[in-house]
Amino acid sequence: DADVTQTPRNRITKTGKRIMLECSQTKGHDRMYWYRQDPGLGLRLIYYSFDVKDINKGEISDGYSVSRQAQAKFSLSLESAIPNQTALYFCATSERGTGTYNEQFFGPGTRLTVL
Amino acid sequence: AQSVTQLGSHVSVSEGALVLLRCNYSSSVPPYLFWYVQYPNQGLQLLLKYTSAATLVKGINGFEAEFKKSETSFHLTKPSAHMSDAAEYFCAVSERGGYQKVTFGTGTKLQVIP
Repeated sequence: DADVTQTPRNRITKTGKRIMLECSQTKGHDRMYWYRQDPGLGLRLIYYSFDVKDINKGEISDGYSVSRQAQAKFSLSLESAIPNQTALYFCATSERGTGTYNEQFFGPGTRLTVL
Repeated sequence: AQSVTQLGSHVSVSEGALVLLRCNYSSSVPPYLFWYVQYPNQGLQLLLKYTSAATLVKGINGFEAEFKKSETSFHLTKPSAHMSDAAEYFCAVSERGGYQKVTFGTGTKLQVIP
């Protein structure tokens, strides 16, 4: 079974719609992240959470919000989707603490298309 | 502030030839460095990581990378390319301590020609 799962895997929606992408993990990690991937731009951090009560903006958080419902669940919402939010979205997790090197474990991704 | 530069967004090699993917980093403190691979329609998975134990790091699938502080480089190599190596490769740098923020490069797509 996959350690980091994302739902849905693919989604097509229209401009102005509210969308939620969900991430669940069974790795027992405290830290969770949301990235978006665009061709030629690599991965850019949207939000990250170091525990249920510690949520932080990344470099491109405008137009997005998140919710950490439990240690294992981290959701990303687009309140009013726009076409330039069309991208591949990844959830990732990592362990907390020094000596863990912050290796990240990625989900399979959600391909979102906003028409 | 930390950053990563990957030279070449696309690299093509013949099957059996040397693979060399370049990565240069910028960091104000000694970093952790990573190479991740992304196969089509999949998430990223770790190939190898540098954590200061040894400057030459061996990873999965025959890949290795050498940390060169004087050149601020962490290039990825494989002596002989295989068709299954065709993928996108990302270099990443992480702070030590604190929030250990990870910054990814823009990626290099490797094409292996039969």
